[in-house]
Amino acid sequence: ETGVTQTPRHLVMGMTNKKSLKCEQHLGHNAMYWYKQSAKKPLELMFVYNFKEQTENNSVPSRFSPECPNSSHLFLHLHTLQPEDSALYLCASSQVLEDTQYFGPGTRLTVL
Amino acid sequence: RKEVEQDPGPFNVPEGATVAFNCTYSNSASQSFFWYRQDCRKEPKLLMSVYSSGNEDGRFTAQLNRASQYISLLIRDSKLSDSATYLCVVNLAGNNRKLIWGLGTSLAVNP
Repeated sequence: ETGVTQTPRHLVMGMTNKKSLKCEQHLGHNAMYWYKQSAKKPLELMFVYNFKEQTENNSVPSRFSPECPNSSHLFLHLHTLQPEDSALYLCASSQVLEDTQYFGPGTRLTVL
Repeated sequence: RKEVEQDPGPFNVPEGATVAFNCTYSNSASQSFFWYRQDCRKEPKLLMSVYSSGNEDGRFTAQLNRASQYISLLIRDSKLSDSATYLCVVNLAGNNRKLIWGLGTSLAVNP
């Protein structure tokens, strides 16, 4: 399935590196989301964008910086991350005001 | 109390067995309820929505009990391919479409 794509699928970075995660949805949706999934924890919502406007920042540290240039693309810029930021980062999309979300395959991030 | 609580399992059942999972939620204002399925090292995928009247999709039956604030998922005639983690998801009323996720219940169906 190619409804929501994410790149890269795997990323290893040092604490001083800067990297970006990319998400693209081909479903014609107008809402996009970033989630973090860590071992032994439920999915944590990080950011929500509706019609390219950020509508939610769930107390995410500033070392994570989202960018949404249009309704189809979402980025997560990473800098000076900590080892505890290692997790699976999932992008999702939906129609605004609809609950069903479609997920990308995720980026498995390891911070050394 | 966690907003959405599930027994993490694992549930180990033989092929053909019937298995049921429960999920409790803390906010009585919750309006929408879902079961998602997540295979190992894959993304979550919607399995089914849960309606007040209960709903069935093949071997899967979902039910909602608002009075006791829990939802359930019943899987009949389990298949090996049903092995996955089942995530309970709840949404609050209003315009904030924020989904609250449970930790998931792990199911292993054995031959």
